[in-house]
Amino acid sequence: QKEVEQNSGPLSVPEGAIASLNCTYSDRGSQSFFWYRQYSGKSPELIMFIYSNGDKEDGRFTAQLNKASQYVSLLIRDSQPSDSATYLCAVNGPPGNTGKLIFGQGTTLQVKP
Amino acid sequence: AAGVIQSPRHLIKEKRETATLKCYPIPRHDTVYWYQQGPGQDPQFLISFYEKMQSDKGSIPDRFSAQQFSDYHSELNMSSLELGDSALYFCASSFSPGLATDTQYFGPGTRLTVL
Repeated sequence: QKEVEQNSGPLSVPEGAIASLNCTYSDRGSQSFFWYRQYSGKSPELIMFIYSNGDKEDGRFTAQLNKASQYVSLLIRDSQPSDSATYLCAVNGPPGNTGKLIFGQGTTLQVKP
Repeated sequence: AAGVIQSPRHLIKEKRETATLKCYPIPRHDTVYWYQQGPGQDPQFLISFYEKMQSDKGSIPDRFSAQQFSDYHSELNMSSLELGDSALYFCASSFSPGLATDTQYFGPGTRLTVL
């Protein structure tokens, strides 16, 4: 079992809809959780990070964290074709960790016009 | 805003050759991370440096070595290259490892092809 699990997809949504991306992790001591967007052949681009239980909103993006369930999600509102990419969930270690990130396998999102 | 710089962007080598990848972190970032991403794979952590000292080590082959210099740039040295080393190599930097608010920003990557 991978330390960080994501559904590889593809997840297909129509333009303007809400895309919901999910991620589970195995290390209960993990401190912070990250969502990166990666276009094919390009580098991961930080979308959001969250470290407290609950919701965190930034524009069209909302990250949700539930540490009891070891679950983190990303909602993308008003999805656009330009949002089509692979979304990587990443987790670091407990407080005082070295900062290295453990990535999930990524979810491919397709937004259809 | 200044970003992480990596060079070269593309590199083609033969088997058993050596390669050196360079990374220049965002100004004032004192921590550098190296990741390897094979085709269709997620990024895998290789090694990290904090204040010029190795801070963590992941699945990095013994054929690879790395260091961080006094100006905080880092180099990843790869020897006896194998076909399986063909991948994207990303460098990321941050300035507060271990804190909840620490975030890593990735460079554009170096695409290494081993023939």
